[in-house]
Amino acid sequence: QVVLTQSPSASASLGASVKLTCTLSSGHTSYAVAWHQQQPEKGPRFLMKLNSDGSHTKGDGIPDRFSGSSSGAERYLTISSLQSEDEADYYCQTWGSGIVVFGGGTKLTVL
Amino acid sequence: QVQLVQSGSEVKKPGASVKVSCKASGHSFSSYGVSWVRQAPGQGLEWMGWISGYNGDTKYAQKLQGRVTMTTDPSTTTAYMELRSLTSDDTAVYYCARDVLEYQPPNWFDPWGQGTLVIVSS
Repeated sequence: QVVLTQSPSASASLGASVKLTCTLSSGHTSYAVAWHQQQPEKGPRFLMKLNSDGSHTKGDGIPDRFSGSSSGAERYLTISSLQSEDEADYYCQTWGSGIVVFGGGTKLTVL
Repeated sequence: QVQLVQSGSEVKKPGASVKVSCKASGHSFSSYGVSWVRQAPGQGLEWMGWISGYNGDTKYAQKLQGRVTMTTDPSTTTAYMELRSLTSDDTAVYYCARDVLEYQPPNWFDPWGQGTLVIVSS
């Protein structure tokens, strides 16, 4: 079964950029992932679907500051021009063979 | 717009069952699957299972097999998740989420419901 690995935490300064990583387990490196944002005390919100070739499709209303890229088993979420409301938990998700898997999430702190 | 509205918070005793509803609007209910995801306090997201809006086919996470049942009522465009034999470990916020792709096995989600808090306590 596919496993998604995320760093538990990340931090960056207001106005800077940050790149979050989601790593697919061996044998599953061609999988697409979806990124979801969960702000404090709120439910998750879909950000984008990210393919293995780096192409991505964002959800409605997601700002251009959010972008995705891929390299091998890595799926990246880059947030530029960080704002205070970007402080949140970010989860990657994948699917296949009738199941869905989430990464453990990365807690992003905006300094 | 596409929207999922869930039922309200529940408090249950250990050993009891809970049934959470998720009413869909703004799209063709029968075209899309719905997943259920839960989040224990301070923890990450855990996929519980999925139900097809088209034919009621279900897929459940292995650890919940035998304790969870997902159903739909197309006449009211509502999906349901029932969890039995509750323990304190089932205390969590429960979310429904709609598939993006129609007529497909579980895939990625958009949108999510607002969440339903279920507390299991004696």
